[in-house]
Amino acid sequence: AQSVTQLGSHVSVSEGALVLLRCNYSSSVPPYLFWYVQYPNQGLQLLLKYTSAATLVKGINGFEAEFKKSETSFHLTKPSAHMSDAAEYFCAVLGTGGFKTIFGAGTRLFVKA
Amino acid sequence: KAGVTQTPRYLIKTRGQQVTLSCSPISGHRSVSWYQQTPGQGLQFLFEYFSETQRNKGNFPGRFSGRQFSNSRSEMNVSTLELGDSALYLCASTRTGTVNTEAFFGQGTRLTVV
Repeated sequence: AQSVTQLGSHVSVSEGALVLLRCNYSSSVPPYLFWYVQYPNQGLQLLLKYTSAATLVKGINGFEAEFKKSETSFHLTKPSAHMSDAAEYFCAVLGTGGFKTIFGAGTRLFVKA
Repeated sequence: KAGVTQTPRYLIKTRGQQVTLSCSPISGHRSVSWYQQTPGQGLQFLFEYFSETQRNKGNFPGRFSGRQFSNSRSEMNVSTLELGDSALYLCASTRTGTVNTEAFFGQGTRLTVV
């Protein structure tokens, strides 16, 4: 069965600093992986997705993620944090059969001025 | 192109009542999924519909049910509400419901049970 684990429920960075949000996956088949962002009282917005085409995936708002099969990881990064990046981020994997998305517990990102 | 629309955005109900939430997917999307989001349990999958058929169901009691209409709009119903049903209910639609298709989410319905 597929699952994802996000390391760290809260991450705090200074504005302009590197953002690194960690995600490890477990899957018996080649995974389809996603990062979503959620702002307060909003739905989820897709940041980027990995579908086996390229290991380094670029998304919206300057975010990118690298798929590392040897480490079963799909960490999300952004070179320079902006105040508007403060939100909750969810790593997710497509479930068996492709009928549902399985989410991690989420990481709340705080950006300090 | 309009996104996924969920109505209502906010709802307050009393224990024991029932509630119906509505979701209109993106035009052309035929798969609709529902998720419950709570601070303690995170995002949990409720069920998924494709062409009016439930294809997958999460681990929720029978009080939670859903359906999909021929125009792909979906409703979910919760009967005999409990305090623990208070949550943000999110609906997501996908284009064809096949693998390798990301889900587009609505803004959710915030249900409060008192």
